[in-house]
Amino acid sequence: NAGVTQTPKFRILKIGQSMTLQCTQDMNHNYMYWYRQDPGMGLKLIYYSVGAGITDKGEVPNGYNVSRSTTEDFPLRLELAAPSQTSVYFCASSYSMSAGANVLTFGAGSRLTVL
Amino acid sequence: ELKVEQNPLFLSMQEGKNYTIYCNYSTTSDRLYWYRQDPGKSLESLFVLLSNGAVKQEGRLMASLDTKARLSTLHITAAVHDLSATYFCAVAIQGGSEKLVFGKGTKLTVNP
Repeated sequence: NAGVTQTPKFRILKIGQSMTLQCTQDMNHNYMYWYRQDPGMGLKLIYYSVGAGITDKGEVPNGYNVSRSTTEDFPLRLELAAPSQTSVYFCASSYSMSAGANVLTFGAGSRLTVL
Repeated sequence: ELKVEQNPLFLSMQEGKNYTIYCNYSTTSDRLYWYRQDPGKSLESLFVLLSNGAVKQEGRLMASLDTKARLSTLHITAAVHDLSATYFCAVAIQGGSEKLVFGKGTKLTVNP
């Protein structure tokens, strides 16, 4: 199994450009997430989804959009890239285990630089 | 708003020594997770703690949860170099178990 696959791994954008980070999971997980990781700041939740067709905002959603048309895919769209969006982005998926445990499986990450 | 604080944020220790990483959180929750991240890599799950008094152990790492004190600890016994990594605790938002709030992480360096 591939688990959670993110593309691209690295990308440099100019200010004002747009792009989509792709995320696919093959574990039939119902929950999917996008986090960003900035140095020394831990992970911040951008958006999440509890199933196909359902998305919701996390802590830092401004400047991003998501969609969840299938169980497998959860792309993250950056519109009008800004230097503040320079970060490492992690996609994750999970399923709700018994007793409510929700262990996340993370992708390898996408390092984005906006210049 | 749920806040999660870890300390220390940086920890340098010698092989063979013991130490504890602390994770405090600000509002009620009964689900806490520990993850490990190696430099330049993704995060991998270490422990899931689901109830007050829960204790989990794997090798030289032991995690515990005190929901009344809103505190989890990650204890390292007889550290070895391979444990060098950044350790994150993450707390589930009560009533919204699909959302986690992460601490800033503790960067552990184990020196020979």
